[in-house]
Amino acid sequence: DAGVIQSPRHEVTEMGQEVTLRCKPISGHDYLFWYRQTMMRGLELLIYFNNNVPIDDSGMPEDRFSAKMPNASFSTLKIQPSEPRDSAVYFCASSLGFREKLFFGSGTQLSVL
Amino acid sequence: SQKIEQNSEALNIQEGKTATLTCNYTNYSPAYLQWYRQDPGRGPVFLLLIRENEKEKRKERLKVTFDTTLKQSLFHITASQPADSATYLCALDMGQAGTALIFGKGTTLSVSS
Repeated sequence: DAGVIQSPRHEVTEMGQEVTLRCKPISGHDYLFWYRQTMMRGLELLIYFNNNVPIDDSGMPEDRFSAKMPNASFSTLKIQPSEPRDSAVYFCASSLGFREKLFFGSGTQLSVL
Repeated sequence: SQKIEQNSEALNIQEGKTATLTCNYTNYSPAYLQWYRQDPGRGPVFLLLIRENEKEKRKERLKVTFDTTLKQSLFHITASQPADSATYLCALDMGQAGTALIFGKGTTLSVSS
């Protein structure tokens, strides 16, 4: 298996623009997680899905952030409108079960100017 | 407030020595604790999982301990090598339905030859 695949690897955009991050989890994994990593705050959970259904989105910072999982092999995280404070590395991870280890993608480095 | 602290942000040791990384937590009662390794520009990679009823877990040169009384986990790398240089993250799993992994900010280990 190719592992968790994220795109793009890097995204540079201007404040106010819409940003869409994409993730393909490992086939057969029932859980998908979106995390955000910054130097100041470390790795923070934004939202996670079980069988394509959002379970906990309490980590989503504000209404500008939204996430979807239309099927078992694809998820998106959208920021609209983007702000400079959204600059971070966004990771997608998947797991077989809830108590199982996480497999992370390589992340998307987002820079909002 | 709830907090996860990993000892110093950086740890420098000489090749061949044992590296000991600390993960302390307050106001949490985790059922499981996981350790991950993260290399620059990459996503975290799972290393070990230890349950609250386990005192110690080993895997090759790695050893993890879990003391629920002290609210502390220690992560040891014996006979360290320059290739072990990376950031190591501890993550708490509350064991409750609906709660995902909570990560510490990590400790960056540098092993010099």
